[in-house]
Amino acid sequence: ETGVTQTPRHLVMGMTNKKSLKCEQHLGHNAMYWYKQSAKKPLELMFVYSLEERVENNSVPSRFSPECPNSSHLFLHLHTLQPEDSALYLCASSQGVTVSGNTIYFGEGSWLTVV
Amino acid sequence: QKEVEQNSGPLSVPEGAIASLNCTYSDRGSQSFFWYRQYSGKSPELIMSIYSNGDKEDGRFTAQLNKASQYVSLLIRDSQPSDSATYLCAVNDAGRRALTFGSGTRLQVQP
Repeated sequence: ETGVTQTPRHLVMGMTNKKSLKCEQHLGHNAMYWYKQSAKKPLELMFVYSLEERVENNSVPSRFSPECPNSSHLFLHLHTLQPEDSALYLCASSQGVTVSGNTIYFGEGSWLTVV
Repeated sequence: QKEVEQNSGPLSVPEGAIASLNCTYSDRGSQSFFWYRQYSGKSPELIMSIYSNGDKEDGRFTAQLNKASQYVSLLIRDSQPSDSATYLCAVNDAGRRALTFGSGTRLQVQP
């Protein structure tokens, strides 16, 4: 139990579906992140939110749409995905954005398969 | 492109030996360095952080940082089969708001 909870843990969706990944952190942190992890590739930063404001969008396709309604919740809305988007999607949080050296804590991840 | 490089492995060591994992980074302005462990099918979990040149010890783990040479390493003493995992090096690039990760080194500890 890391204090960062992701749902669903596994998701299979068709290319025309719309689904959402949810993340909730119970650590009192004020920064949240989405990372993507594909096989044999480094963790890729997708989005950074600080105090509910998006502070970084790492050239992510528009078929991924993040939402941060408050500092404890983060969503990743998915639509018209491609098979190459199949990956482990990791949510994380930290006390502040890491430029000041704050540690990032990860959730258990959501395994996404696009068929 | 700021990069963090790791040998993908697998690094195979016998039980009880010292495992040495290395990482180099390209951004001289990097200030914070982290080692995460990731078991197969699981999410990364933090092992250690290091911010200053030199060694930092925590139990069986020692992180070493050399900013002049732009490398950071992790030593695992008395390696156990339960240490078998992928070890990710992460670096805070100056000016960025998140960590940049290496692709990880897979460690296998043979009983």
